[in-house]
Amino acid sequence: GAGVSQSPSNKVTEKGKDVELRCDPISGHTALYWYRQSLGQGLEFLIYFQGNSAPDKSGLPSDRFSAERTGGSVSTLTIQRTQQEDSAVYLCASTSEYEQYFGPGTRLTVT
Amino acid sequence: GIQVEQSPPDLILQEGANSTLRCNFSDSVNNLQWFHQNPWGQLINLFYIPSGTKQNGRLSATTVATERYSLLYISSSQTTDSGVYFCAVPNTGGFKTIFGAGTRLFVKA
Repeated sequence: GAGVSQSPSNKVTEKGKDVELRCDPISGHTALYWYRQSLGQGLEFLIYFQGNSAPDKSGLPSDRFSAERTGGSVSTLTIQRTQQEDSAVYLCASTSEYEQYFGPGTRLTVT
Repeated sequence: GIQVEQSPPDLILQEGANSTLRCNFSDSVNNLQWFHQNPWGQLINLFYIPSGTKQNGRLSATTVATERYSLLYISSSQTTDSGVYFCAVPNTGGFKTIFGAGTRLFVKA
């Protein structure tokens, strides 16, 4: 079936505004990850969802960041009061047992 | 937590050359993946290889779990192989995934 999709592909926002990023995982995948990738850098883990278990939020950089996963499928990552240092590509991956499959990412630019 | 180191950080190859990329990790793992991030930013699965050897076309990978390293071999490189290669492992005792810093490969025509 279709791969992981993310929307929007690009988002430009003003400092201080809230943004919502969306991830649609591969159908049937029970686990979902969010990562952040700053320009020229590696991937930074943000949060992990597995089924109905409590998410692993250990990678969220501040309390301005939150995420939810509704119905075990679609996930939204919300960043409140955005700052310029939040500018990055936000990547979502869903997992079939062990292998992670990535979406194309959302490029966030905070001006 | 677990540490992941990749080498070399940068690599320039002439088209047709072979190369070996290395991933060292500091603790036992039961899961290791290699990814290729193409110049447009898309991350593509290459291998899921917690141990042993796998081959897919011009690429192959070997993980020696007891010695805590994995190798990615690229043979007869092509310009389309350019990009960044990442290895990733789960953090000790959890599901958090730790990525190495990557090897940036440029293949010249």
